Amino acid sequence: DTGVSQDPRHKITKRGQNVTFRCDPISEHNRLYWYRQTLGQGPEFLTYFQNEAQLEKSRLLSDRFSAERPKGSFSTLEIQRTEQGDSAMYLCASSSQGPYGYTFGSGTRLTVV
Amino acid sequence: DAKTTQPPSMDCAEGRAANLPCNHSTISGNEYVYWYRQIHSQGPQYIIHGLKNNETNEMASLIITEDRKSSTLILPHATLRDTAVYYCIAYINSGGSNYKLTFGKGTLLTVNP
Repeated sequence: DTGVSQDPRHKITKRGQNVTFRCDPISEHNRLYWYRQTLGQGPEFLTYFQNEAQLEKSRLLSDRFSAERPKGSFSTLEIQRTEQGDSAMYLCASSSQGPYGYTFGSGTRLTVV
Repeated sequence: DAKTTQPPSMDCAEGRAANLPCNHSTISGNEYVYWYRQIHSQGPQYIIHGLKNNETNEMASLIITEDRKSSTLILPHATLRDTAVYYCIAYINSGGSNYKLTFGKGTLLTVNP
């Protein structure tokens, strides 16, 4: 297992376009998280899955954002009608139950022009 | 989750110990103290966590005061590769609804040659 994988690493898109990011967690981890990070700030929680169930969505996740984890394995985060304010690093993390830390991926850096 | 307070930046000489402080005066009895770090352009990396007792692993040591209102992360022999933002997080890992890590701005540790 090579850890949490995110694809793509970088994405440049024009304002108004839709984008989709993929996250492959560590295979035995049943919990998956999406975070967003802007320059100079710590990561901000977006949403959380336990297996295939999306159990919480942050208020940061507007109706233009949707996340799925269809079979409890990989997850996708889609942003519709992108805006310049969506430019950020999108981080995925996974964990198993218990007092263990998260494992983060390297992130997808989105630039909206 | 309890709010934590960290200095925005610190410097350390290569080969010396780096001692990163964190205040968490409102921490509750079942909140763990977690430390993560984030090297530029990478996702956060788990370092260590503790509840009451001091902890040590291959990366660092965590010293928690007896009243649990503050803690110190110690990197015993800092190297240039330890230059990163270090996050101290108070986190309830009960397996219930408080499953998300809440990041602050952290401390930028710069290790100088």
